[in-house]
Amino acid sequence: DIQMTQSPASLSASLEEIVTITCQASQDIGNWLAWYQQKPGKSPQLLIYGATSLADGVPSRFSGSRSGTQYSLKISRLQVEDPGIYYCLQGYSAPLTFGSGTKLEIK
Amino acid sequence: EVQLVETGGGLVQPGKSLKLTCATSGFTFSTAWMHWVRQSPDKRLEWIARIKDKSNNYATDYVESVKGRFTISRDDSKSSVYLQMNSLKEEDTATYYCTTLENYWGQGVMVTVSS
Repeated sequence: DIQMTQSPASLSASLEEIVTITCQASQDIGNWLAWYQQKPGKSPQLLIYGATSLADGVPSRFSGSRSGTQYSLKISRLQVEDPGIYYCLQGYSAPLTFGSGTKLEIK
Repeated sequence: EVQLVETGGGLVQPGKSLKLTCATSGFTFSTAWMHWVRQSPDKRLEWIARIKDKSNNYATDYVESVKGRFTISRDDSKSSVYLQMNSLKEEDTATYYCTTLENYWGQGVMVTVSS
């Protein structure tokens, strides 16, 4: 199975700050990587698919990038509505696997 | 409006069975690959099963921890996907979501396995 190592586990940042979350895949998954945001009491919502493509309706301050088997989610200017838990997901091969999540808070 | 509504959760004893139903509307269900994802109380997400569409022979995949115990199925005429869960274990306790893994997720249904 493909392992997705996500870091950091938690993150506290100030408004307008740049935030970066990373996921390291245990093997090549190409661009089969998605990022999700989950707010308390809600279902996960897709932010990024295909490693770098922004999902419909997602603010442009969110972006995804890839360097080899390392994937990153960047929030360019943290906003008050951005706290939550962020997860990566590899869709390259079954069983699909999620990262362990990053809890993002406002400092 | 897209809707995915999961039902069938609840409290069940270890070793017993439960069947979850996800009724959908508002998108082309027949061509969608449908998934079940669960979230444990510590908030970890785990993908557990997938069923492809008719053109892919309704092929299924499972995570190892549920193989042989859980069965995913679908009824395109009802735009619904199901998860039959047998021989339930306490570690199956979670909120279960049906999803296309794109923009469409249900609200989740809780399953608690406890004696």
